[in-house]
Amino acid sequence: SQTIHQWPATLVQPVGSPLSLECTVEGTSNPNLYWYRQAAGRGLQLLFYSVGIGQISSEVPQNLSASRPQDRQFILSSKKLLLSDSGFYLCAWSGLAGGPDFTYNEQFFGPGTRLTVL
Amino acid sequence: GQQLNQSPQSMFIQEGEDVSMNCTSSSIFNTWLWYKQEPGEGPVLLIALYKAGELTSNGRLTAQFGITRKDSFLNISASIPSDVGIYFCAGGTNDYKLSFGAGTTVTVRA
Repeated sequence: SQTIHQWPATLVQPVGSPLSLECTVEGTSNPNLYWYRQAAGRGLQLLFYSVGIGQISSEVPQNLSASRPQDRQFILSSKKLLLSDSGFYLCAWSGLAGGPDFTYNEQFFGPGTRLTVL
Repeated sequence: GQQLNQSPQSMFIQEGEDVSMNCTSSSIFNTWLWYKQEPGEGPVLLIALYKAGELTSNGRLTAQFGITRKDSFLNISASIPSDVGIYFCAGGTNDYKLSFGAGTTVTVRA
C-alpha cells in the first residue's frame, strides 16, 4: 500500500532563516505531488504541484520554492522566512492513472508540518 | 482554481442526530471528493464520486454527486462524538488539481 511521509512534524524558525520541508511517497511510481498551506482555521491553499521529476508548477507567487529531485521526493524551501509563512504545510500525492485502490483524481495527504516563524 | 461554496461553515451535533453539509460551484466538475481533517493531522479521504447522480456510502456517511455536476452533499447518520472535525469538499477536473471548499467544522453540542 502507499504511504506518505513528511518531516519535520513541527518547526520553529526565526524570521529571515531558511526553510526546507521534505515529503516522500512510498508504494507508487510517478505520482503527482502537491504542497498545500493551511492557515489556522482556514482552508487549503495549493502552493505547488509536480507531475514529474524536475517539473514544478507554482500556484501562488511568494518567497517559497519547490523542487522534485527524485520521483517520489518533494521539497519545499525558502531562502528567508517571513512571519506570514507560519502555517500547517501539507504534502499530498495522486496517481497519474488509476491503481488497484485509487483513481487518478484522488489526493492523499501526509501528516503535515506545523511551521511557526517568530 | 474554481471557488467552491461549502455550507454550513460550522455545525453542532448531538449524538444520534443525522447531519448534512453541501458544496456548490458555478463550474462543472468530473470528480467530487469529501475529506475529514482532525486537529493537527492531514485530511483523510472519506468518499470519492465520479459520475453525475452517483450516490455512495461509506459506513454512516453518504455522499451524492449532483446531476448538474455543480454540487455535492455529504450526510452523516446517527452522529457519534468521533465525528467531530473539519469536513472539506473538493472538486476535480482533468488538470491534476482539486478545488477545495472552506470546510465545515463539526463540534459536539454541550
